[in-house]
Amino acid sequence: EIVLTQSPATLSLSPGERATLSCRASQSVSTYLGWYQQKPGQAPRVVIYDAVNRATGIPARFSGSGSGTDFTLTISSLEPEDFAVYYCQQRSNWPLTFGGGTKVEIK
Amino acid sequence: QITLKESGPTLVKPTQTLTLTCTFSGFSLSTYGVRVGWIRQPPGKALEWLAIISWDDDDTHYSPSLRTRLTITKDTSKNQVVLTMTNMDPEDTATYYCARRVVAAIDWFDPWGQGTLVTVSS
Repeated sequence: EIVLTQSPATLSLSPGERATLSCRASQSVSTYLGWYQQKPGQAPRVVIYDAVNRATGIPARFSGSGSGTDFTLTISSLEPEDFAVYYCQQRSNWPLTFGGGTKVEIK
Repeated sequence: QITLKESGPTLVKPTQTLTLTCTFSGFSLSTYGVRVGWIRQPPGKALEWLAIISWDDDDTHYSPSLRTRLTITKDTSKNQVVLTMTNMDPEDTATYYCARRVVAAIDWFDPWGQGTLVTVSS
């Protein structure tokens, strides 16, 4: 099973600041890595797929990078609606696995 | 418009079997490449993938840690996917989501249902 480790667990930032979230895989997942955003009381929604592609309707301030075992989700300038929990997920191997999440909170 | 909605009991007793239904619209599970999966989330915790079923009847996958307790089936005519989980335990208390994946498209869970909270307690 591929283990995904996200860091940090919590990121305290102010609106307008840059957020950098990390996801590390225990073995290579190539670019089969996605990022989901989850707001309180809501289902997750995909924001980045295949490591670097923005999902439909996701603003350009969201970007993804990485391949193999190290991945980054960057939010260039945080808007109030971006404060949420972000999960990475791999689809390279069965079983599908999720990371433990990074909470982006308002400082 | 693609929608999915989970339904089932909100409270089950320990050792009972849970049956959840995902009813969807806007797509067909008989279409090549379409999959529907189940994911759960204990309160305040991370997401955990459980199972997935595909347009291809032979292509079904389960979480190894729960494999002996899970069964996923589909009723294409009703646009439903059913997940059964046996021998429920309080640690299975979670919000259970279903979500769609489409192979060779954006092959990620998108969209998701609203989720249904299942509490396991005597």
